[in-house]
Amino acid sequence: EPEVTQTPSHQVTQMGQEVILRCVPISNHLYFYWYRQILGQKVEFLVSFYNNEISEKSEIFDDQFSVERPDGSNFTLKIRSTKLEDSAMYFCASIPGQGVYGYTFGSGTRLTVV
Amino acid sequence: QKEVEQNSGPLSVPEGAIASLNCTYSDRGSQSFFWYRQYSGKSPELIMSIYSNGDKEDGRFTAQLNKASQYVSLLIRDSQPSDSATYLCAVIAAGNKLTFGGGTRVLVKP
Repeated sequence: EPEVTQTPSHQVTQMGQEVILRCVPISNHLYFYWYRQILGQKVEFLVSFYNNEISEKSEIFDDQFSVERPDGSNFTLKIRSTKLEDSAMYFCASIPGQGVYGYTFGSGTRLTVV
Repeated sequence: QKEVEQNSGPLSVPEGAIASLNCTYSDRGSQSFFWYRQYSGKSPELIMSIYSNGDKEDGRFTAQLNKASQYVSLLIRDSQPSDSATYLCAVIAAGNKLTFGGGTRVLVKP
């Protein structure tokens, strides 16, 4: 079964450093998402991406965050200057098209900011 | 603020029994409803989707939707220890964005 692949599985970074989380969505999927889950809390929407641009973003997704699809396969989330409160699991997800809601989530990246 | 609410649990059920999980949502415009299973430290795994009022069965799982009451539920029949996990209710109101509840932790005791 096709998978969404995320790397790295765990990243530890110093506060103030930049991190890039990487995702390879399923190849024929068109809509891409980042969600995060702080330990013990809800899964929260960050951003959706379609046709090489952001289609929706949450209040969490401030100027410190950016997303990019640098080539035909990768989808990245960059956090420019990490804060302690950015520590969370970050999940990438993708769907084939509008109205097809069977999200496939990647296995996640655990980001720890120290 | 669009909310999805679940009892956090834990819901303790004996092996072989039925586990019943509930979820309410605030946005009347919600159109699509999902149940995800999440094991500790893992990503959400889709187990059921439901779009219209009534029941939908898939194996040991049954999802029930009542849009008038803004209520969606999940029944797990013949519960197994491997069903011990956190079950997340999620809703789409507009676009494709999922809004998640906080999850119900289920413990199936042998």
